[in-house]
Amino acid sequence: GQNIDQPTEMTATEGAIVQINCTYQTSGFNGLFWYQQHAGEAPTFLSYNVLDGLEEKGRFSSFLSRSKGYSYLLLKELQMKDSASYLCAVADSNYQLIWGAGTKLIIKP
Amino acid sequence: GAVVSQHPSWVICKSGTSVKIECRSLDFQATTMFWYRQFPKQSLMLMATSNEGSKATYEQGVEKDKFLINHASLTLSTLTVTSAHPEDSSFYICSARSGTSDYEQYFGPGTRLTVT
Repeated sequence: GQNIDQPTEMTATEGAIVQINCTYQTSGFNGLFWYQQHAGEAPTFLSYNVLDGLEEKGRFSSFLSRSKGYSYLLLKELQMKDSASYLCAVADSNYQLIWGAGTKLIIKP
Repeated sequence: GAVVSQHPSWVICKSGTSVKIECRSLDFQATTMFWYRQFPKQSLMLMATSNEGSKATYEQGVEKDKFLINHASLTLSTLTVTSAHPEDSSFYICSARSGTSDYEQYFGPGTRLTVT
């Protein structure tokens, strides 16, 4: 079966760094996405990885290891507005997104 | 660019009535649109995939006669919840994919449906 695993909830301090992990088992792989979702709002695109390695985009970076079925999202210099759920999704062989349950990130001052 | 709108943003309806939700791609042509449902504190659940001009493909467990999807043009898809029940109350989100991108989906802002 297809499975995406990520922690349910994480807590971090403003200004710090946090890493949110995602492991996956899917039928086919056409890339891994990270989305941010604030409560009551639709997801917004953060990153897309299809090759192994680290993609950096400002305060956010995303890493992929296809051989390990593993990705992480790294958030630096955390701000209060980063409090949100972070969704990991994998595009399968039909480019259909398989979604993880999301990680709720709580930022404390 | 790549803006997707949904209407209405929220709707309250009585049990047994039908509700139509519109999803529009404002600045691109969406060859494929997706309809998701999200219950509180849960992840997105894909309901169906629709391609312009053809019938929608429903996920297992989603009743196609209850959730009617019409993708009549390259910029508009509609989801009609027929004979709504309180358990249909949820956050419905559409997303759209253009023909130029194989992977990225652009999400609408979502529609919160409450059935009383």
